[in-house]
Amino acid sequence: AQSVTQPDIHITVSEGASLELRCNYSYGATPYLFWYVQSPGQGLQLLLKYFSGDTLVQGIKGFEAEFKRSQSSFNLRKPSVHWSDAAEYFCAVFGAGSYQLTFGKGTKLSVIP
Amino acid sequence: GAVVSQHPSWVICKSGTSVKIECRSLDFQATTMFWYRQFPKQSLMLMATSNEGSKATYEQGVEKDKFLINHASLTLSTLTVTSAHPEDSSFYICSARDRVSGGDKETQYFGPGTRLLVL
Repeated sequence: AQSVTQPDIHITVSEGASLELRCNYSYGATPYLFWYVQSPGQGLQLLLKYFSGDTLVQGIKGFEAEFKRSQSSFNLRKPSVHWSDAAEYFCAVFGAGSYQLTFGKGTKLSVIP
Repeated sequence: GAVVSQHPSWVICKSGTSVKIECRSLDFQATTMFWYRQFPKQSLMLMATSNEGSKATYEQGVEKDKFLINHASLTLSTLTVTSAHPEDSSFYICSARDRVSGGDKETQYFGPGTRLLVL
């Protein structure tokens, strides 16, 4: 069965600083990977996804993620964080056998003005 | 595009009553919808997968008779929490896959969620 690990429960960065949120996955085949963002009391918004091809994926709001098969990782990055980026971020893997998304436990991002 | 709505956004009810939550895909047809439950400060837990015109598939540990799911059309799925109790209080989120218009089978689009409080 697939699984997703987000090692960091809570990260605090200063506005304007760079950001990297870690995500490691476990899946037997080529994974389909996603990053979603959730603002308080809201649903999930898709930031970006990786299916195949270029391992560096660009998403909305200036986010990007890099798929590294050798490290089973799909880390999310942003060069300069804005206060509005404060939210919960979820990494997810799609299992082709189950047709289901499996989510990590999420990383809460706080931004210091 | 790919907008999913939920109604109501929040609901408070008395213990023992039933609550219906609607999930609609506004600008696409969703052959498959998913229902998740999220506890405070936790991740999403898949409750069931709903396919249009057929019975929902429930995850292990989810009571079928308590959480009734109906997916009667390509744009609407409903979750009814029957005889709700305080332990059913949670944040319920639906998602949908756009398959009809050529969307990939892997991407899910999420609704804004419904917060249920059972007194």
